[in-house]
Amino acid sequence: EAGVAQSPRYKIIEKRQSVAFWCNPISGHATLYWYQQILGQGPKLLIQFQNNGVVDDSQLPKDRFSAERLKGVDSTLKIQPAKLEDSAVYLCASNRDGDNSPLHFGNGTRLTVT
Amino acid sequence: QKEVEQDPGPLSVPEGAIVSLNCTYSNSAFQYFMWYRQYSRKGPELLMYTYSSGNKEDGRFTAQVDKSSKYISLFIRDSQPSDSATYLCAMSGITGGFKTIFGAGTRLFVKA
Repeated sequence: EAGVAQSPRYKIIEKRQSVAFWCNPISGHATLYWYQQILGQGPKLLIQFQNNGVVDDSQLPKDRFSAERLKGVDSTLKIQPAKLEDSAVYLCASNRDGDNSPLHFGNGTRLTVT
Repeated sequence: QKEVEQDPGPLSVPEGAIVSLNCTYSNSAFQYFMWYRQYSRKGPELLMYTYSSGNKEDGRFTAQVDKSSKYISLFIRDSQPSDSATYLCAMSGITGGFKTIFGAGTRLFVKA
């Protein structure tokens, strides 16, 4: 089975600019997650979708971050305006039903904000 | 106090050594315990998955869970240079809606 696809792999922007990341989960996986991984830290959940509905966005900085999952498949995560502290790897993950099954991760988008 | 504590290392060992990686946690509701391996510039990949307390072995890898002490371990036997990576512990539970919480990761270097 094809893995979780993410693009772009790398992005460099200046602070106050906007950026968008794209994710395509494993086929048939209803649940999609966006994680932020700051250098030297473990992944931190930003938002969880079940099909095209939001299950948990409690740690998403909603004043600057937004995410959508139209049609319950692909998802985009946007940051506008970016801050220096947003420099991190943004990981997308999926699993079948949002239950105890393990997460499958993409290789992430490495964002550098200058 | 963080929900999951993990020593970030780095940990450097010679090839062939036995490696012990550990995490402690504070939330007694966690039931599912995982170890992920993350190579540089790659996403985490699942290495071991266990439910509740006990041991699980898969090749050179053994995962142990001690829920009474809120302590989990990963042992790597006959370590190889290809094992050099960051190892992330992770855990979840039904009361948290199966939200997976990760440790900070331990960087491991295996020297040839």
